[in-house]
Amino acid sequence: NAGVTQTPKFQVLKTGQSMTLQCAQDMNHNSMYWYRQDPGMGLRLIYYSASEGTTDKGEVPNGYNVSRLNKREFSLRLESAAPSQTSVYFCASRISGTVSYEQYFGPGTRLTVT
Amino acid sequence: KNQVEQSPQSLIILEGKNCTLQCNYTVSPFSNLRWYKQDTGRGPVSLTIMTFSENTKSNGRYTATLDADTKQSSLHITASQLSDSASYICVVSAYNFNKFYFGSGTKLNVKP
Repeated sequence: NAGVTQTPKFQVLKTGQSMTLQCAQDMNHNSMYWYRQDPGMGLRLIYYSASEGTTDKGEVPNGYNVSRLNKREFSLRLESAAPSQTSVYFCASRISGTVSYEQYFGPGTRLTVT
Repeated sequence: KNQVEQSPQSLIILEGKNCTLQCNYTVSPFSNLRWYKQDTGRGPVSLTIMTFSENTKSNGRYTATLDADTKQSSLHITASQLSDSASYICVVSAYNFNKFYFGSGTKLNVKP
């Protein structure tokens, strides 16, 4: 039982390049999330998917797109990377329903845009 | 505005000592509050969850308190160990809105 996995662990991009961050969970969770974590700030929600087939914007969606490929996988795409997108990206998943259910986080992807 | 503020931003203590981390929130309507531990280079892991009716909850050497009237929570770590070195994040959930509000965390460094 791997929990939430993310690939890649590290990535360096040049401004304007594109890439997709991959996330998968094996806990049969309905809800999945993408966050970014910057120094001195709390995790900020980029996009979330309450269930397979649905996605919604979070607090900071500009410059990102997402795809809920199936129940297990939720990918985050940067179409044209900018230095402001340098951050650590975390994927999380949880059982849908009441907010009492815990979010389980992946190990993160550290992205640097030069 | 729904916010979560944590203090201090960082803390250095000697191994074996106790410490207390603070979390103040303005999230409404309040559903629950979680404390997460985030080791360097890892994702956050839940330590404990507090609901409206709970005042105190322990998880080993970690004890969380909640005062829903003053909208404050604390995380007390007893007899600290080197492995307690990490960031501790307070996350508050809003009832019926399925939203999570994250504090910026307290970075704890336990020195031998």
